[in-house]
Formats: sequence, C-alpha cells, structure tokens
Amino acid sequence: DAKTTQPTSMDCAEGRAANLPCNHSTISGNEYVYWYRQIHSQGPQYIIHGLKNNETNEMASLIITEDRKSSTLILPHATLRDTAVYYCIVRVANAGNNRKLIWGLGTSLAVNP
Amino acid sequence: DAGVIQSPRHEVTEMGQEVTLRCKPISGHNSLFWYRQTMMRGLELLIYFNNNVPIDDSGMPEDRFSAKMPNASFSTLKIQPSEPRDSAVYFCASSLGAADNEQFFGPGTRLTVL
Repeated sequence: DAKTTQPTSMDCAEGRAANLPCNHSTISGNEYVYWYRQIHSQGPQYIIHGLKNNETNEMASLIITEDRKSSTLILPHATLRDTAVYYCIVRVANAGNNRKLIWGLGTSLAVNP
Repeated sequence: DAGVIQSPRHEVTEMGQEVTLRCKPISGHNSLFWYRQTMMRGLELLIYFNNNVPIDDSGMPEDRFSAKMPNASFSTLKIQPSEPRDSAVYFCASSLGAADNEQFFGPGTRLTVL
C-alpha cells in the first residue's frame, strides 16, 4: 500500500507558484521522498527527491518538514504544460535489490490560463 | 539517447489471444520495470529485473502473465490467454544501477482486449 497521502486535485493560475502537499507520517529514517509527474497519455517523469534537506533543481523545489512527516513540491512559475498528475512516493534509496516504488493515486494539478 | 522504447504503442485483440509487449531499456541501465495502469487501480508494479534477473514478481496478477529479459537490451511481457480485464496501459521503465533514484519510463502500450 502507498505510504503517502495527497489531495486528489488542485488548481493553479498560470505564472503563479504551485504548491503540492504530501503527508508521509510513517516515513522511516532511511526513506527518501520522491516526486514524479505524469502528463496525459505519457509515461511518468521523475521530478526530484530528497531525504531531509530542501532540494531544488531546474524543474522544482522540494521542502521537507523538520520532522519529515510531510513535504511540499513547489513549481515556482507554473505553466500550462505543468498540468499533470503528481505522485509523491517514499522509498529507501540505493536499496540493493529493493527498487520498488509504491504509487498512490497522486494529485491532479490543473494549471489555468 | 532514444529513451525507453516500447512496442507496439497500441494493441487491440480478442479475448483468449496471446499478447506480447516489448521493451528496450536505455542502454547501460541494469534495472527494468513493468507497470500496469488503469483508472481503477492506478499504477501498479508487475515485475522488475536487475541485471536481467527477475527480482520481484509479486505484482504479476496470475499465471497468465509472464515476463522475460533474455539480455540487457530487451524484455517482453506476455499475456496468454488475454482477458478483457487485462485492458490497460502497460509501461516499461529502466534505471541505472546504484544511481537508481530516477526511473525512466517508456511511452506505454495501450492494450484493449475485446
């Protein structure tokens, strides 16, 4: 079973920041938080991951609370092309043979003009 | 790099027929994953391979499903016999060994079983 909780859907105005929350209250000390997104009719795409420090790359920023029980993915300037389903996943990184990602139902983000 | 390649992109077949889905992972990647996605169940991992060896097939629904990876550049997922409830989008993904934080997904195969 998925170990994360996300809102089913969210809306965001184009050009504004999109903040997507994720709860992972049972996360273990060696589990990372991963974010993927899936644009309609495409395969999922990796966005970012982190352990406890905030992370930023060219796509997004990941803010993880100090107790690591929740996190927020931030798309700083959302565009229409960011409309997608966003998945938050927790998993042990570099876990030898255990490379499974357990996917929930994600958040459907609609970026509106 | 061309990314993960899957074929066919669309498959329509009749109940009882054998279906074979194909996947070519990204060159140099040593982990390969087969997923199934439906509206009802979302994205489900069926099986994954590491260095061509099946590691976890606990997600394979039943004996009608089988997967092989004869070499590092090719994998197949076979359904025999197919049933209407197998209708879904099947994704293949690959990742690079120790630095496997990112799985790269193919475009998927949309399977319809009539």
